[in-house]
Amino acid sequence: AQTVTQSQPEMSVQEAETVTLSCTYDTSENNYYLFWYKQPPSRQMILVIRQEAYKQQNATENRFSVNFQKAAKSFSLKISDSQLGDTAMYFCAFNTGNQFYFGTGTSLTVIP
Amino acid sequence: DAGITQSPRHKVTETGTPVTLRCHQTENHRYMYWYRQDPGHGLRLIHYSYGVKDTDKGEVSDGYSVSRSKTEDFLLTLESATSSQTSVYFCAISESGWSSYNEQFFGPGTRLTVL
Repeated sequence: AQTVTQSQPEMSVQEAETVTLSCTYDTSENNYYLFWYKQPPSRQMILVIRQEAYKQQNATENRFSVNFQKAAKSFSLKISDSQLGDTAMYFCAFNTGNQFYFGTGTSLTVIP
Repeated sequence: DAGITQSPRHKVTETGTPVTLRCHQTENHRYMYWYRQDPGHGLRLIHYSYGVKDTDKGEVSDGYSVSRSKTEDFLLTLESATSSQTSVYFCAISESGWSSYNEQFFGPGTRLTVL
């Protein structure tokens, strides 16, 4: 079975600080791709960052970076210099075969 | 922004009535998906399509059917709505779906309430 676990339902961080959201997944597939999506209060799903599982180098997108540990099946998201606009629900997901599998989400609040 | 629209955006209906949600895309993407989002469950796949008239079941397909007669439209039907189908429904599209680096683009969602 393909599963994604986000063990932190809620988190908060002070503005300008750094926060890390955790994600673990389980799959027997070797070929897959990992994603972090953001869902602000507007409800629109927005891609934050993605990672190819066969690449060891961690992906970065401006203030967002991942720590990908393939053997541990871990894919955490680090947000640096947190901004008020980062307040949102964050979903970890991976794509293998014809489907995407999503975690239950982490609600992040950035405190001024 | 990817051209994806969902209609209606909000709907209130009664138990036992049929409901059809529509997803329309202007991107000519091959793959289309229907998800439901519920607190504590994240996004769960209902059905997906990998081409015109080609569809398959997802994790929570019971009570739902889909149809795709044109590339741009993917319909989700609740034949006889139940209160457990109260949820927010998202449509998504993807240029390619098979173990792909391509992201999914999401529609704005439809909030469905079944009384």
